[in-house]
Amino acid sequence: SQTIHQWPATLVQPVGSPLSLECTVEGTSNPNLYWYRQAAGRGLQLLFYSVGIGQISSEVPQNLSASRPQDRQFILSSKKLLLSDSGFYLCAWSVTGVEQFFGPGTRLTVL
Amino acid sequence: QKEVEQNSGPLSVPEGAIASLNCTYSDRGSQSFFWYRQYSGKSPELIMSIYSNGDKEDGRFTAQLNKASQYVSLLIRDSQPSDSATYLCAVKDDKIIFGKGTRLHILP
Repeated sequence: SQTIHQWPATLVQPVGSPLSLECTVEGTSNPNLYWYRQAAGRGLQLLFYSVGIGQISSEVPQNLSASRPQDRQFILSSKKLLLSDSGFYLCAWSVTGVEQFFGPGTRLTVL
Repeated sequence: QKEVEQNSGPLSVPEGAIASLNCTYSDRGSQSFFWYRQYSGKSPELIMSIYSNGDKEDGRFTAQLNKASQYVSLLIRDSQPSDSATYLCAVKDDKIIFGKGTRLHILP
């Protein structure tokens, strides 16, 4: 069966610091991978998605970037965090491109 | 701008009763519809998918879809305290759009 991991689970970072969040999927090959952010009082916002290694599509212009160095690894990064980057970051995978399944998430607080 | 609308709640339902959650969407081209359950502090969990008009039942859950009215609903029969959560409606055409969710509280 498929399993998705995210780390770290929680993170507190100062404004202006860099960020790296990692997501890995087990038990499947060539999944579609997605990064979402869920901010307090707001819905799930799609940030990036990837249909294969090195293929990244950005949905929202901002100071975040994503990379997919391996088939089952998806990384979310920032060079300088803003207060507005605080939120619950969720990685999701899909094999069919229809149903999406979420990882446990990383709760980021920027101070 | 494609939108998915849900009443934020909270919706309070007595234990053992039927909980009815509703969702409307703006994009008539949408083909796939989902309900996710999200417990406080946790990630969303896919509980139902529906692709054609009518009802789809899975255990205590029934999803209902009416594409003409652009309306999706989720019924939870015999509500349990463990059903207390936020329920997210999601609609997909080329991309998935999520509603902000309805908070459901089952009263013991």
